[in-house]
Amino acid sequence: AQTVTQSQPEMSVQEAETVTLSCTYDTSENNYYLFWYKQPPSRQMILVIRQEAYKQQNATENRFSVNFQKAAKSFSLKISDSQLGDTAMYFCASRGSQGNLIFGKGTKLSVKP
Amino acid sequence: KAGVTQTPRYLIKTRGQQVTLSCSPISGHRSVSWYQQTPGQGLQFLFEYFSETQRNKGNFPGRFSGRQFSNSRSEMNVSTLELGDSALYLCASSLAVLTAYNEQFFGPGTRLTVL
Repeated sequence: AQTVTQSQPEMSVQEAETVTLSCTYDTSENNYYLFWYKQPPSRQMILVIRQEAYKQQNATENRFSVNFQKAAKSFSLKISDSQLGDTAMYFCASRGSQGNLIFGKGTKLSVKP
Repeated sequence: KAGVTQTPRYLIKTRGQQVTLSCSPISGHRSVSWYQQTPGQGLQFLFEYFSETQRNKGNFPGRFSGRQFSNSRSEMNVSTLELGDSALYLCASSLAVLTAYNEQFFGPGTRLTVL
């Protein structure tokens, strides 16, 4: 069975600073994808970034980047130049051959002015 | 293109009642998945429908059921409601059957409160 663990229930960062959210996962599958989702207080879940497990290059989307360590089964999210609008719950998730997402418990990120 | 819509947005029911939630996927999307979000259990997969067929099911009791119509709209039903069913129910649509790759787009959710 797949599991996803986020060990940081809450984090805070000053505006314009950089923050890293941690995630570890476990899976027996060879072909899988990893995701970071953002859920702002409005509750709409939004995809932030995704990583294909067979790609060694870390994914990057503007201010968001990941550090994917396949052997360690680690998938952290780095947010650079944090903005107030980044305040949200962040969920790490994995998806295997069945297609459904397996989510971590989430990290509540607060960006302070 | 309109996003995933869910109705109603908020719902209050009492124990023992049943409830039906509706989800309209993005136009052209044929896969609809449902997730339950609670503070204690987090986000958990309920089931996925594709072309009117349930393709995959999570670990939930039989009180939770769903269906998909020919226009890809989906409904989920919870019978004999329990207090623990209070949750945010999220619907997500995908262009094709879920695989490891296909992206899912989430709706705003239906907040169900069971009293």
